[in-house]
Amino acid sequence: KAGVTQTPRYLIKTRGQQVTLSCSPISGHRSVSWYQQTPGQGLQFLFEYFSETQRNKGNFPGRFSGRQFSNSRSEMNVSTLELGDSALYLCASSLAVGGGRFFGPGTRLTVL
Amino acid sequence: AQKVTQAQTEISVVEKEDVTLDCVYETRDTTYYLFWYKQPPSGELVFLIRRNSFDEQNEISGRYSWNFQKSTSSFNFTITASQVVDSAVYFCALMETSGSRLTFGEGTQLTVNP
Repeated sequence: KAGVTQTPRYLIKTRGQQVTLSCSPISGHRSVSWYQQTPGQGLQFLFEYFSETQRNKGNFPGRFSGRQFSNSRSEMNVSTLELGDSALYLCASSLAVGGGRFFGPGTRLTVL
Repeated sequence: AQKVTQAQTEISVVEKEDVTLDCVYETRDTTYYLFWYKQPPSGELVFLIRRNSFDEQNEISGRYSWNFQKSTSSFNFTITASQVVDSAVYFCALMETSGSRLTFGEGTQLTVNP
């Protein structure tokens, strides 16, 4: 069974630009969560989608948004990029709430 | 609010030593899940274990074992006969069943030297 895939793996953007990251969950998994990892703040929850609906959202500004498609694939978008948005963005998929959450390899975003 | 504390920032051991990674958590929920993840230099978080708060049985999987003690709100992880390939950052995490987000500890950098 294929694992969680994330594209692209690396991304370099400049301040003010916007970026879209993609996540394909494990086949059959309907929940997708996003996390941001930085050296200063550690791993922080961004949001979770289940059956195309956002179920939960972390404490991030409105510049961070996401969506989920009918095939459970998810995208997250960050608009008006800031230097502080440089991070590893990790996507996790699970069958249901509380399930073992399996993470993808992450997208490393660098904002210059 | 939930919180996970991993007091050990870095641990360095010599191969074949046993090592225990500590995890202490805080939650007001009576039902919750606890997780351990391994993050090698590649960055991917590798799922190791999920434990339900109702299940206080210790678990052993090969060289890995976990000690869950609800009375002290701790969920410690022991690696027996450590190997160089065990070198990574290890994260403990908590999920309250009333929500769906994982709250992670700060992580423990484990270095196993040959």
